[in-house]
Amino acid sequence: AQTVTQSQPEMSVQEAETVTLSCTYDTSENNYYLFWYKQPPSRQMILVIRQEAYKQQNATENRFSVNFQKAAKSFSLKISDSQLGDTAMYFCAFMKRNAGNMLTFGGGTRLMVKP
Amino acid sequence: KAGVTQTPRYLIKTRGQQVTLSCSPISGHRSVSWYQQTPGQGLQFLFEYFSETQRNKGNFPGRFSGRQFSNSRSEMNVSTLELGDSALYLCASSLGPGNGQETQYFGPGTRLLVL
Repeated sequence: AQTVTQSQPEMSVQEAETVTLSCTYDTSENNYYLFWYKQPPSRQMILVIRQEAYKQQNATENRFSVNFQKAAKSFSLKISDSQLGDTAMYFCAFMKRNAGNMLTFGGGTRLMVKP
Repeated sequence: KAGVTQTPRYLIKTRGQQVTLSCSPISGHRSVSWYQQTPGQGLQFLFEYFSETQRNKGNFPGRFSGRQFSNSRSEMNVSTLELGDSALYLCASSLGPGNGQETQYFGPGTRLLVL
């Protein structure tokens, strides 16, 4: 079974600054995906970024980028130029590839962006 | 393209009753997964359906069941409701299995309160 751990229950950052959210996971699989999802107060779960484990290049999506360290089983999310709209819960999630669409989530990190 | 829709958005039931939640996936998506979100247990996978077949099931009692129709719409049913079933129920859809099509997109959720 896979486990996903987010060690920072809460974080805060000033608007326009950079913040990094941590995620570690445990798996014996070699072929998998990692995701970051954002859940704002509306509770709508929004996909932020996706990383395929076989790709060494770190994924980026505009102000969002990841630092994927496969050997260390670490998958952190960096948010640059933080905006007030980035205030949300952020969930790291793991999914085995080609084994059914089942996400295993971490406990989440509550991010507050301060003006 | 319209996103994932879930109905109803809010529901209040009493212990012992049963409830049916509905999910319409993004057009063209054939896989639907269900998750339960509670403050205590976080986000937990319930089950996944693809082509009207349940492919994966999480660790939930038999009171939780689901089905998928030929148009990919899915329903989940909870019988003999317990107080602990109060949660946000999230539905997610994806294109299908394999070849990078597994990325899941979430609906707004159904908030169930059991009294």
